[in-house]
Amino acid sequence: DGGITQSPKYLFRKEGQNVTLSCEQNLNHDAMYWYRQDPGQGLRLIYYSQIVNDFQKGDIAEGYSVSREKKESFPLTVTSAQKNPTAFYLCASSIQQGEIQPQHFGDGTRLSIL
Amino acid sequence: AQTVTQSQPEMSVQEAETVTLSCTYDTSENNYYLFWYKQPPSRQMILVIRQEAYKQQNATENRFSVNFQKAAKSFSLKISDSQLGDTAMYFCAFMVRAGGYQKVTFGIGTKLQVIP
Repeated sequence: DGGITQSPKYLFRKEGQNVTLSCEQNLNHDAMYWYRQDPGQGLRLIYYSQIVNDFQKGDIAEGYSVSREKKESFPLTVTSAQKNPTAFYLCASSIQQGEIQPQHFGDGTRLSIL
Repeated sequence: AQTVTQSQPEMSVQEAETVTLSCTYDTSENNYYLFWYKQPPSRQMILVIRQEAYKQQNATENRFSVNFQKAAKSFSLKISDSQLGDTAMYFCAFMVRAGGYQKVTFGIGTKLQVIP
């Protein structure tokens, strides 16, 4: 079955540590997105990528970094510069051409501070 | 910039009854799409229904239907014959294509509880 796989489901970060969240899709989608979800704030866009080796900052990119070396993969690194990383992180993907289709989402990763 | 407002933080409905969740948005765009997503306790985001702004007919998917009022910039979701499995957070989302990517703005969500 096609879909988006996020791992791990739960992740813990120590002070000063960088952690990487994995996102893999087998939908052959060109575009991929990372969102952060906090209680009472809905989803906010961190980074997005329209094509391999290209990505753009979203609304809350500070303290995060991404890479897009393969079409299927869009990992998100939460750096030590992100002072409030505790949140639920969702990865999504979509096609780029033709009629707009809704974004497909992974099951998310919950990141907490130790 | 687009904004999406969901003014009902929490709602409850008796099983088998009907409930309407409200959503308003603000935009200067003319060509856009609207979605309702459901997020159950499992936290997976599930598409419930979509509406293209250029279509006047309201979208319907089984027990779910929308009341799309383009002039009023309103996009409410009606759930008929509510079931226990409908208990979830519901997010209204506005989407435009901007510079080649899909720019999506989400509302803050409405928590729906279906009561047996």
